[in-house]
Amino acid sequence: IQLVQSGPVVKKSGASVTVSCRASGYSFSNYGIAWVRQAPGQGLEWMGWISGFSGNTNYPPKFSDRVTVTLDKVNSRAFLELRSLTSDDTAIYYCARGGHYGVVTWFDSWGQGTQVTVSS
Amino acid sequence: EIVLTQFPDTLSLSPGERATLSCRISQSVSRSYVVWYQQKRGQPPRLLIHAASTRATGVPDRFSGSGSETDFTLTIDRLEPEDFAMYYCQQFGDALWAFGQGTRVDIK
Repeated sequence: IQLVQSGPVVKKSGASVTVSCRASGYSFSNYGIAWVRQAPGQGLEWMGWISGFSGNTNYPPKFSDRVTVTLDKVNSRAFLELRSLTSDDTAIYYCARGGHYGVVTWFDSWGQGTQVTVSS
Repeated sequence: EIVLTQFPDTLSLSPGERATLSCRISQSVSRSYVVWYQQKRGQPPRLLIHAASTRATGVPDRFSGSGSETDFTLTIDRLEPEDFAMYYCQQFGDALWAFGQGTRVDIK
Protein backbone atom coordinates (compact mmCIF):
# COMPACT_ATOMS: atom_id res chain seq x y z
CA ILE A 1 0.00 0.00 0.00
CA GLN A 2 1.38 3.38 -0.99
CA LEU A 3 0.03 6.89 -0.82
CA VAL A 4 2.12 9.40 -2.75
CA GLN A 5 1.35 13.08 -2.40
CA SER A 6 2.04 16.08 -4.59
CA GLY A 7 5.02 18.32 -3.94
CA PRO A 8 5.47 21.40 -1.72
CA VAL A 9 3.66 24.59 -2.61
CA VAL A 10 3.80 28.25 -1.64
CA LYS A 11 0.63 30.31 -1.83
CA LYS A 12 -0.39 33.87 -1.06
CA SER A 13 -2.90 34.74 1.64
CA GLY A 14 -6.44 34.54 0.30
CA ALA A 15 -5.59 31.99 -2.38
CA SER A 16 -6.67 28.35 -2.59
CA VAL A 17 -4.52 25.23 -2.68
CA THR A 18 -5.15 21.71 -3.93
CA VAL A 19 -3.07 18.78 -2.68
CA SER A 20 -3.28 15.39 -4.37
CA CYS A 21 -2.72 11.86 -3.10
CA ARG A 22 -2.19 8.92 -5.44
CA ALA A 23 -2.96 5.48 -4.03
CA SER A 24 -1.62 2.12 -5.13
CA GLY A 25 -1.41 -1.42 -3.86
CA TYR A 26 -5.05 -1.85 -2.90
CA SER A 27 -8.57 -1.54 -4.26
CA PHE A 28 -9.05 2.22 -4.10
CA SER A 29 -12.84 2.19 -4.26
CA ASN A 30 -13.16 -0.03 -1.19
CA TYR A 31 -11.47 2.40 1.22
CA GLY A 32 -11.80 5.99 2.29
CA ILE A 33 -9.21 8.74 2.36
CA ALA A 34 -8.79 11.21 5.20
CA TRP A 35 -6.78 14.42 5.31
CA VAL A 36 -4.82 15.46 8.39
CA ARG A 37 -2.58 18.47 8.85
CA GLN A 38 0.23 19.35 11.21
CA ALA A 39 1.30 22.93 11.78
CA PRO A 40 4.96 23.57 12.70
CA GLY A 41 5.69 22.07 16.11
CA GLN A 42 2.04 21.19 16.63
CA GLY A 43 -0.12 18.07 16.78
CA LEU A 44 -2.34 16.31 14.27
CA GLU A 45 -5.61 17.86 13.10
CA TRP A 46 -8.24 15.97 11.09
CA MET A 47 -9.62 18.04 8.19
CA GLY A 48 -11.96 15.83 6.23
CA TRP A 49 -12.78 12.36 4.92
CA ILE A 50 -14.29 10.81 1.85
CA SER A 51 -15.55 7.29 1.38
CA GLY A 52 -14.14 5.59 -1.70
CA PHE A 53 -17.11 3.27 -1.56
CA SER A 54 -20.00 5.75 -1.49
CA GLY A 55 -18.37 9.10 -2.13
CA ASN A 56 -19.82 10.42 1.12
CA THR A 57 -17.79 13.14 2.80
CA ASN A 58 -17.53 14.53 6.30
CA TYR A 59 -15.70 17.52 7.74
CA PRO A 60 -15.16 18.88 11.24
CA PRO A 61 -17.01 22.18 11.83
CA LYS A 62 -13.74 24.13 11.77
CA PHE A 63 -13.15 23.27 8.11
CA SER A 64 -16.64 22.64 6.76
CA ASP A 65 -16.79 25.95 4.86
CA ARG A 66 -13.22 26.00 3.52
CA VAL A 67 -12.36 22.39 2.67
CA THR A 68 -13.51 20.09 -0.11
CA VAL A 69 -12.29 16.51 -0.48
CA THR A 70 -12.81 14.71 -3.78
CA LEU A 71 -11.82 11.51 -5.52
CA ASP A 72 -10.75 10.48 -9.02
CA LYS A 73 -11.54 6.78 -8.91
CA VAL A 74 -10.28 6.18 -12.45
CA ASN A 75 -6.76 7.22 -11.45
CA SER A 76 -6.94 6.26 -7.75
CA ARG A 77 -6.34 9.79 -6.59
CA ALA A 78 -7.77 11.91 -3.81
CA PHE A 79 -7.70 15.68 -3.58
CA LEU A 80 -7.87 18.22 -0.81
CA GLU A 81 -8.88 21.79 -1.66
CA LEU A 82 -8.41 24.45 1.02
CA ARG A 83 -9.71 27.95 0.29
CA SER A 84 -9.14 31.44 1.71
CA LEU A 85 -5.65 30.63 2.96
CA THR A 86 -4.05 32.48 5.87
CA SER A 87 -0.64 32.12 7.50
CA ASP A 88 -2.29 29.79 10.04
CA ASP A 89 -2.70 27.26 7.24
CA THR A 90 1.06 26.84 6.89
CA ALA A 91 1.48 23.16 7.71
CA ILE A 92 2.28 19.69 6.44
CA TYR A 93 -0.80 18.07 4.95
CA TYR A 94 -1.14 14.29 5.04
CA CYS A 95 -3.53 11.94 3.31
CA ALA A 96 -4.29 8.66 5.05
CA ARG A 97 -6.30 5.57 4.24
CA GLY A 98 -9.25 5.15 6.56
CA GLY A 99 -12.65 3.56 6.29
CA HIS A 100 -13.46 0.26 4.63
CA TYR A 101 -16.61 -0.26 2.56
CA GLY A 102 -18.00 2.90 4.10
CA VAL A 103 -17.38 1.77 7.66
CA VAL A 104 -15.20 4.29 9.46
CA THR A 105 -11.92 2.95 10.82
CA TRP A 106 -8.48 4.07 11.95
CA PHE A 107 -5.86 5.37 9.52
CA ASP A 108 -3.62 2.48 8.57
CA SER A 109 -1.44 3.99 5.85
CA TRP A 110 -0.22 7.56 5.39
CA GLY A 111 1.19 9.64 2.60
CA GLN A 112 4.59 11.26 2.94
CA GLY A 113 3.11 14.70 3.55
CA THR A 114 2.95 17.89 1.53
CA GLN A 115 4.37 21.17 2.84
CA VAL A 116 2.03 24.08 2.20
CA THR A 117 3.43 27.50 3.01
CA VAL A 118 1.23 30.58 3.00
CA SER A 119 2.94 33.92 2.61
CA SER A 120 1.51 37.38 2.87
CA GLU B 1 -17.45 17.49 20.62
CA ILE B 2 -15.16 14.81 22.01
CA VAL B 3 -11.88 16.08 23.44
CA LEU B 4 -8.82 13.90 24.01
CA THR B 5 -6.25 14.96 26.59
CA GLN B 6 -2.92 13.19 26.75
CA PHE B 7 -0.57 13.26 29.69
CA PRO B 8 2.13 13.84 30.43
CA ASP B 9 3.13 16.22 27.64
CA THR B 10 6.70 14.92 27.85
CA LEU B 11 8.14 11.76 29.33
CA SER B 12 11.91 11.66 29.85
CA LEU B 13 13.17 8.11 30.24
CA SER B 14 16.24 5.99 29.62
CA PRO B 15 16.48 3.06 27.21
CA GLY B 16 15.28 -0.10 28.89
CA GLU B 17 12.73 1.69 31.07
CA ARG B 18 8.97 1.40 30.81
CA ALA B 19 6.88 4.25 29.39
CA THR B 20 3.26 4.75 30.40
CA LEU B 21 1.28 7.23 28.31
CA SER B 22 -2.27 8.24 29.15
CA CYS B 23 -5.19 9.46 27.05
CA ARG B 24 -8.32 10.79 28.74
CA ILE B 25 -11.44 11.20 26.61
CA SER B 26 -14.14 13.71 27.49
CA GLN B 27 -16.95 11.15 27.28
CA SER B 28 -17.22 7.39 27.50
CA VAL B 29 -16.41 5.69 24.20
CA SER B 30 -16.19 2.17 22.89
CA ARG B 31 -12.73 0.63 23.06
CA SER B 32 -13.19 -0.35 19.42
CA TYR B 33 -12.69 3.24 18.38
CA VAL B 34 -9.50 4.17 20.26
CA VAL B 35 -6.20 4.22 18.36
CA TRP B 36 -2.55 5.05 19.02
CA TYR B 37 -0.01 6.39 16.51
CA GLN B 38 3.74 6.95 16.69
CA GLN B 39 5.38 9.82 14.85
CA LYS B 40 9.11 10.26 14.48
CA ARG B 41 10.61 13.59 13.52
CA GLY B 42 10.22 14.34 9.83
CA GLN B 43 8.00 11.30 9.19
CA PRO B 44 4.26 10.74 8.84
CA PRO B 45 2.44 9.04 11.72
CA ARG B 46 2.49 5.27 11.93
CA LEU B 47 -0.40 3.16 13.20
CA LEU B 48 0.59 1.35 16.39
CA ILE B 49 -2.56 0.12 18.06
CA HIS B 50 -6.24 0.03 17.14
CA ALA B 51 -9.30 -1.06 19.09
CA ALA B 52 -7.46 0.12 22.22
CA SER B 53 -5.26 -2.96 22.49
CA THR B 54 -4.70 -4.63 19.08
CA ARG B 55 -1.21 -4.12 17.73
CA ALA B 56 -0.93 -3.21 14.05
CA THR B 57 1.01 -5.48 11.72
CA GLY B 58 4.73 -5.42 12.45
CA VAL B 59 4.47 -3.57 15.77
CA PRO B 60 6.73 -5.15 18.42
CA ASP B 61 5.06 -6.76 21.41
CA ARG B 62 6.76 -4.33 23.81
CA PHE B 63 3.93 -1.96 22.80
CA SER B 64 0.62 -2.62 24.50
CA GLY B 65 -2.63 -0.75 24.91
CA SER B 66 -5.32 -0.91 27.53
CA GLY B 67 -8.21 0.99 29.00
CA SER B 68 -11.93 1.53 28.76
CA GLU B 69 -14.64 4.19 28.81
CA THR B 70 -12.71 7.46 29.24
CA ASP B 71 -9.20 6.36 30.22
CA PHE B 72 -6.77 4.63 27.90
CA THR B 73 -3.08 3.80 28.23
CA LEU B 74 -0.21 3.02 25.90
CA THR B 75 2.63 1.13 27.56
CA ILE B 76 6.07 0.62 26.06
CA ASP B 77 8.08 -2.00 27.90
CA ARG B 78 11.88 -1.81 27.76
CA LEU B 79 12.27 1.32 25.63
CA GLU B 80 14.46 0.88 22.59
CA PRO B 81 16.35 3.83 21.02
CA GLU B 82 13.91 3.89 18.09
CA ASP B 83 10.92 4.33 20.44
CA PHE B 84 11.81 7.90 21.37
CA ALA B 85 9.17 9.80 19.42
CA MET B 86 5.79 11.51 19.63
CA TYR B 87 2.69 9.45 20.39
CA TYR B 88 -0.88 10.43 19.63
CA CYS B 89 -4.15 8.87 20.69
CA GLN B 90 -7.19 9.10 18.44
CA GLN B 91 -10.89 8.42 18.80
CA PHE B 92 -13.28 8.02 15.91
CA GLY B 93 -16.94 7.37 15.24
CA ASP B 94 -19.83 8.60 13.04
CA ALA B 95 -17.26 9.66 10.41
CA LEU B 96 -15.59 12.03 12.86
CA TRP B 97 -12.00 11.70 14.10
CA ALA B 98 -10.19 13.50 16.91
CA PHE B 99 -6.59 13.41 18.11
CA GLY B 100 -5.01 14.09 21.45
CA GLN B 101 -2.31 16.75 21.57
CA GLY B 102 0.46 14.15 21.84
CA THR B 103 3.05 12.93 24.33
CA ARG B 104 6.74 13.22 23.55
CA VAL B 105 8.95 10.41 24.83
CA ASP B 106 12.46 11.82 25.20
CA ILE B 107 15.77 10.27 26.06
CA LYS B 108 16.74 11.17 29.61
